[in-house]
Amino acid sequence: QQQVKQSPQSLIVQKGGIPIINCAYENTAFDYFPWYQQFPGKGPALLIAIRPDVSEKKEGRFTISFNKSAKQFSLHIMDSQPGDSATYFCAARGYGGSQGNLIFGKGTKLSVKP
Amino acid sequence: EAQVTQNPRYLITVTGKKLTVTCSQNMNHEYMSWYRQDPGLGLRQIYYSMNVEVTDKGDVPEGYKVSRKEKRNFPLILESPSPNQTSLYFCATLSAGSTEAFFGQGTRLTVV
Repeated sequence: QQQVKQSPQSLIVQKGGIPIINCAYENTAFDYFPWYQQFPGKGPALLIAIRPDVSEKKEGRFTISFNKSAKQFSLHIMDSQPGDSATYFCAARGYGGSQGNLIFGKGTKLSVKP
Repeated sequence: EAQVTQNPRYLITVTGKKLTVTCSQNMNHEYMSWYRQDPGLGLRQIYYSMNVEVTDKGDVPEGYKVSRKEKRNFPLILESPSPNQTSLYFCATLSAGSTEAFFGQGTRLTVV
């Protein structure tokens, strides 16, 4: 069953807008929360990741906000560009013996209009 | 250059004809996984492997088999493919202690 729930399924913004993608997890046995970006015809690639003991992480125009008590985390893209149009997946990594087990959300298809 | 290589990239086959999709990595990563990607369903894990000879089922293992006899290879086997296994398949590797999974180029499988 889906352990990481992602919304919205699709998102359209104008250039310069700030799209926000939300994820929620159910299992507390996760120790890392990465976001992956996928362009058409390619495999997903790591964009940014956060540990649950940090509430926010910023890398360039991409920011993850993390709310441990609510078991929610979100991706914000500042000053979005048409080149950011892609599918974004949130994920959660199990800890200990399940470190190699990455569980993905269903993905959000983002379109940034010029 | 770090690589995860899947073969074939595209495959059209008939129902019931056994097939194998290969995955090979050159990064000495402990963990390897297979995912299938379907519209609206995202990436669903089929099987994953923690190391040689250690595998476990993911969310959608039915109809699939895997083996991990060597660290670098993790083939996905469909003993008797059915049309509902038509999908885009990705192999991924992950190093212990890392969150950066490396994905192959994908294999688009069509079962008619």
